[in-house]
Amino acid sequence: GAVVSQHPSRVICKSGTSVKIECRSLDFQATTMFWYRQFPKKSLMLMATSNEGSKATYEQGVEKDKFLINHASLTLSTLTVTSAHPEDSSFYICSASRGRGSETQYFGPGTRLLVL
Amino acid sequence: AQKVTQAQTEISVVEKEDVTLDCVYETRDTTYYLFWYKQPPSGELVFLIRRNSFDEQNEISGRYSWNFQKSTSSFNFTITASQVVDSAVYFCALSGRSTSGTYKYIFGTGTRLKVLA
Repeated sequence: GAVVSQHPSRVICKSGTSVKIECRSLDFQATTMFWYRQFPKKSLMLMATSNEGSKATYEQGVEKDKFLINHASLTLSTLTVTSAHPEDSSFYICSASRGRGSETQYFGPGTRLLVL
Repeated sequence: AQKVTQAQTEISVVEKEDVTLDCVYETRDTTYYLFWYKQPPSGELVFLIRRNSFDEQNEISGRYSWNFQKSTSSFNFTITASQVVDSAVYFCALSGRSTSGTYKYIFGTGTRLKVLA
């Protein structure tokens, strides 16, 4: 199989606080992990690509200092939303692939973030 | 530029009907990969199929089948004898090498399928 987990599944936080979301590949080593954001009834928007042991590559328009991504091991990547604001409320989805190329991405169940 | 178009925003069918979801893509790459994912109301994207640009064979998996035609840049998905459990949003995606050299997905806007009992 290719199972990816995300934690937490839902989080509510106050404006100004930071929130960390974990993404884990449970039964394979993920050389590359991706973080997406999805607005209601919209498609997925790629935020950043991270390779194990190196800095994440952010998509244009995504603030690096606001969305901190760490890919410390072949099975774990984290996304930290710093100083969250209500406009950061969204559905965040991670995916993982075995290689750095064209391998299939396997997606986690997503995290619903609500910033009050 | 790379692009994926899913022109059908929403489709409603009655259970047991066949339904085809369209996907048209644009790319200048000679090597690329196409995918279909299902996103049920729970939110998790479920991988359905991966096809590389050199393999134009159609594929059937149970009630699902895919028709890949490079001549029309299309990768359509058909569900035969639809069931209520097929209700979901279906995304088509193209994977190609970006300007930075890395591969990433280009998603279509998705087609919401509603199967009515």
